[in-house]
Amino acid sequence: AQKVTQAQTEISVVEKEDVTLDCVYETRDTTYYLFWYKQPPSGELVFLIRRNSFDEQNEISGRYSWNFQKSTSSFNFTITASQVVDSAVYFCALSEAQKGSSYKLIFGSGTRLLVRP
Amino acid sequence: ETGVTQTPRHLVMGMTNKKSLKCEQHLGHNAMYWYKQSAKKPLELMFVYNFKEQTENNSVPSRFSPECPNSSHLFLHLHTLQPEDSALYLCASSQPGQTEAFFGQGTRLTVV
Repeated sequence: AQKVTQAQTEISVVEKEDVTLDCVYETRDTTYYLFWYKQPPSGELVFLIRRNSFDEQNEISGRYSWNFQKSTSSFNFTITASQVVDSAVYFCALSEAQKGSSYKLIFGSGTRLLVRP
Repeated sequence: ETGVTQTPRHLVMGMTNKKSLKCEQHLGHNAMYWYKQSAKKPLELMFVYNFKEQTENNSVPSRFSPECPNSSHLFLHLHTLQPEDSALYLCASSQPGQTEAFFGQGTRLTVV
């Protein structure tokens, strides 16, 4: 069965600190996709990144970076020089293909990040 | 503006009421989803529609009844709910063959 584990329930840091959010996944599929979403207090899930299973290249986007390691089934997310606006719940997710070309997202339980001024 | 709009944002209903949640997407997508986010559980998929046809029902109780009249609109009809159905209900859409889904802001439902 597919599963996503985010062991960190809540992290609190002071502004400008770097912080890494961990994500470990389980799947039997050879082709799969991994995602990170941000959920601010307003409620909507904001798409941050998608990574497919054949692309282990790490990615950097501004202060955000992602480290995908198939050997350890991990897809960790680092925020450099955190800011108060980064405070949110972050979800890691794994996709599973469905009928009709849609995809089911299997979410971890989320990590609540609090960045204090 | 996410492109996926949900109304109402907040809803309080009694256990004998009937209400509907609405989702509208302006992204030209053909797949739409309902997800449920409870306080003590991870986000879980409820229903999937592809080109207006339901392709997934994740063992959802019949007191939740989805409707997809066209590719841009998705409804969730609610009747005789229980207090444990209180949750944030999120709608999402995606393009067939595209893996990332785009979410609305959700409807926070409280059943009293």
